[in-house]
Parts: sequence; C-alpha cells; structure tokens
Amino acid sequence: AQSVTQLGSHVSVSEGALVLLRCNYSSSVPPYLFWYVQYPNQGLQLLLKYTTGATLVKGINGFEAEFKKSETSFHLTKPSAHMSDAAEYFCAVGGGTSGSRLTFGEGTQLTVNP
Amino acid sequence: DAGVIQSPRHEVTEMGQEVTLRCKPISGHNSLFWYRQTMMRGLELLIYFNNNVPIDDSGMPEDRFSAKMPNASFSTLKIQPSEPRDSAVYFCASRGTPNTEAFFGQGTRLTVV
Repeated sequence: AQSVTQLGSHVSVSEGALVLLRCNYSSSVPPYLFWYVQYPNQGLQLLLKYTTGATLVKGINGFEAEFKKSETSFHLTKPSAHMSDAAEYFCAVGGGTSGSRLTFGEGTQLTVNP
Repeated sequence: DAGVIQSPRHEVTEMGQEVTLRCKPISGHNSLFWYRQTMMRGLELLIYFNNNVPIDDSGMPEDRFSAKMPNASFSTLKIQPSEPRDSAVYFCASRGTPNTEAFFGQGTRLTVV
C-alpha cells in the first residue's frame, strides 16, 4: 500500500520568498513521485516527477524537488515566489505492478502575498 | 494531441436524475482514472482501468456509481440516482505507461440540486 502526507494544508509566503511545500510518502516498493499544480477551475498539471536516477529533480516554473529515501520525503521548493505561483499543489506516489494506482496527498494551498 | 477530453464541463441536474460523465483519454494511453474532488474530501480516486479492465473500484462510493470503458478511447462514469452530496468536480486522467505521470482533463463540475 502507498500513501502520501502533505504537511500544511495552507502555506503563505511573500513574493520573492522561498517556497517550501512538504511531502512525505509511504511505499512498500520503490516509489515514483510526482508534484502537480492546480489553478482555479482547471485540471491538475504536472510540475515535476521522480522515477529513477538523479534525486534532485527540476520542473517547470522554477520548481524543484529532492527525493530523500532515508527521510521518505519529496519536498517541493522554489527559491523566489511569484504571484503567479498561487495555486494548490498535490504530491502523488505510484510504483509497483503495471496496474498500479496513483495516490495523491490532500493538497497544499499556496498563497503569495505582495 | 488534444489531451484528455471530458464532457460536459458543467452539469446541473435535479436529485434523482441519472448523470453520465464522459472521458476520452489520450490516444495510446492504456490506464484511465476517475477522481472526485471536493472541499471536504480533497481528491479521491474512484476507479481506475488498465487496458479497459477495471483494476480497482474500491473508491466508488456506493452502488449508485458505475463506470465503464467499452474501448480504449472512451469511458463513462454514471450516477443513478444522483444526490446533492454527489456535487463535486469529477476528473478523468490517463497514463501511457506504468509509473509515469497521469494527464488530467479539465474536469466536469457536477451540481445536484
């Protein structure tokens, strides 16, 4: 079984400040990890993914995440927040058999203050 | 590619009526997911298919909900009879190969009055 925990349902930062969104996962098989972003009234859009290889993953819009197996974490960061980053962010885990499901966290709403 | 296409985008129906949501996955993708999103419960996986076969329907709330995938290019989610608590945004997503990302449609916003 797999699960995802996102710490903090709401995160607020000032424009230009560091963005840190936390994600911890549980998986009995090597995990595949994803971060998605959802803007109002839209579907989810992939930000970045970790499958195998390099543990520091770069995504779109200046976001990156680091897979830390020892900490079972996959936190999302961006050095400098922009107003356009305000959205809801979801961490997801997959892995295992060919028919494996994709399990999402509860989401973190990011607010960027001017 | 046009991406995952869902229809309708918005649906308003009266309690007790049958509702059918439709999804066309990305061509060549062999996994399809139906999710429901509400403020209270977040993003819930209802059911997913692999090669048109339902793999896990444990998230389907009750017998009023049913999903089909008659072929690789079409899936439906039906609610009969609908209830106000079914009001939510329903997303369809598809995936090409195992353990890659899923691509989401724009969702169907269902309101049951």
